[in-house]
Amino acid sequence: DIQMTQSPSSLSASVGDRVTITCRASQGIRNALGWYQQKPGKAPKRLIYVASSLQSGVPSRFSGSGSGTEFTLTINNLQPEDCATYYCLQHDNYPPLAFGGGTKVEIK
Amino acid sequence: QVQLVQSGAEVKKPGASVKVSCKASGYTFTSYDINWVRQATGQGLEWVGWMNPNSGNTGSAQKFQGRVTMTRDTSINTAYMELNSLRSEDTAVYYCARVDGSIDYWGQGTLITVSS
Repeated sequence: DIQMTQSPSSLSASVGDRVTITCRASQGIRNALGWYQQKPGKAPKRLIYVASSLQSGVPSRFSGSGSGTEFTLTINNLQPEDCATYYCLQHDNYPPLAFGGGTKVEIK
Repeated sequence: QVQLVQSGAEVKKPGASVKVSCKASGYTFTSYDINWVRQATGQGLEWVGWMNPNSGNTGSAQKFQGRVTMTRDTSINTAYMELNSLRSEDTAVYYCARVDGSIDYWGQGTLITVSS
């Protein structure tokens, strides 16, 4: 099965900063990757699908890039409401699905 | 609008079974797979398994094989996940989720607590 390695596991940044989160797949997954935001006590919410497409209603400061084995979620102009945990999810050889380990984003 | 509404929290003893329901609305239930994902407190997301509501075909992660059963009732647009031989490590929030390529909609989650 494909394994997803996400880094960093946590980060602290200031309002207005640019934040980058990376996911690496154990083998090529084309562009079959999504990014999710989860706030405490809530279900995850999809931000990005097929690596770089912005989900409707998601602020444009979120963007995704990458293909094959390396993917990036970028948050430009970090806002206080972006404090959350972010996960990548691969679906290239569905089933199964495979999540990254998560990145907790905190505001300094 | 698409909604997945799950059954309420449950407390179970070790060795017991639990069955979680997930009622879908706002779309054609048989057109999209339903997956189950769990999350222990303070931990990451873990994929449990999948079901095709049209065919009834299912599959699960290897660690759950033999312990999890996924079924559906198409007459009421509801999917079910039953987990048996519960142990304390199964304490988690269980989510149902619709898959359209990747997961696009999630249920609100069901907390299952396993405790003696």
